[in-house]
Amino acid sequence: SQQGEEDPQALSIQEGENATMNCSYKTSINNLQWYRQNSGRGLVHLILIRSNEREKHSGRLRVTLDTSKKSSSLLITASRAADTASYFCATDAGSTLGRLYFGRGTQLTVWP
Amino acid sequence: GAVVSQHPSRVICKSGTSVKIECRSLDFQATTMFWYRQFPKQSLMLMATSNEGSKATYEQGVEKDKFLINHASLTLSTLTVTSAHPEDSSFYICSARPAAGYGYTFGSGTRLTVV
Repeated sequence: SQQGEEDPQALSIQEGENATMNCSYKTSINNLQWYRQNSGRGLVHLILIRSNEREKHSGRLRVTLDTSKKSSSLLITASRAADTASYFCATDAGSTLGRLYFGRGTQLTVWP
Repeated sequence: GAVVSQHPSRVICKSGTSVKIECRSLDFQATTMFWYRQFPKQSLMLMATSNEGSKATYEQGVEKDKFLINHASLTLSTLTVTSAHPEDSSFYICSARPAAGYGYTFGSGTRLTVV
């Protein structure tokens, strides 16, 4: 990837369980974003966390950011089959020009 | 909410021909649009930044003569894959950043197959 790695690359869980995905990046950042992509479709923005924030919540989503370790995590609580998708983190690599650099993504499968 | 329309969603073309992909911001003005390429089960790779009224900025390793980008208005950017070859087969996605405010809206992508 252009920026970093996500792990795991694939995650398979049962409905109701929590799903945790991790993202590491290489450069300084102004912010980090998480996106969701259903198979063969465009991306949907989930949440943005700024470099001076450590944790952020949005509904069933919880994102943490550790700039000292250059890592972030996305937690989806009480997962549903409809959460099945690929999840990507993206950073601006410290630029204000608007470019986004994506990690490799985690393919999440939630079984009903 | 902000909507970006990308067209066509799928295209099959013969090797050696050129293909144009359009990316339109429907309800906002986008001074900057971005083009990404995605191989199956892989990440999105930023190809270029498209700026309205000026030349696009290409990422390292992306052939500017191969992937022509035009951003002639505040609501439209086009990517033309010239003299396409099978290795250009991929999923191409655009995103737009509004002239005012922050945030990115992505198009639904174009699946290009070169035969």
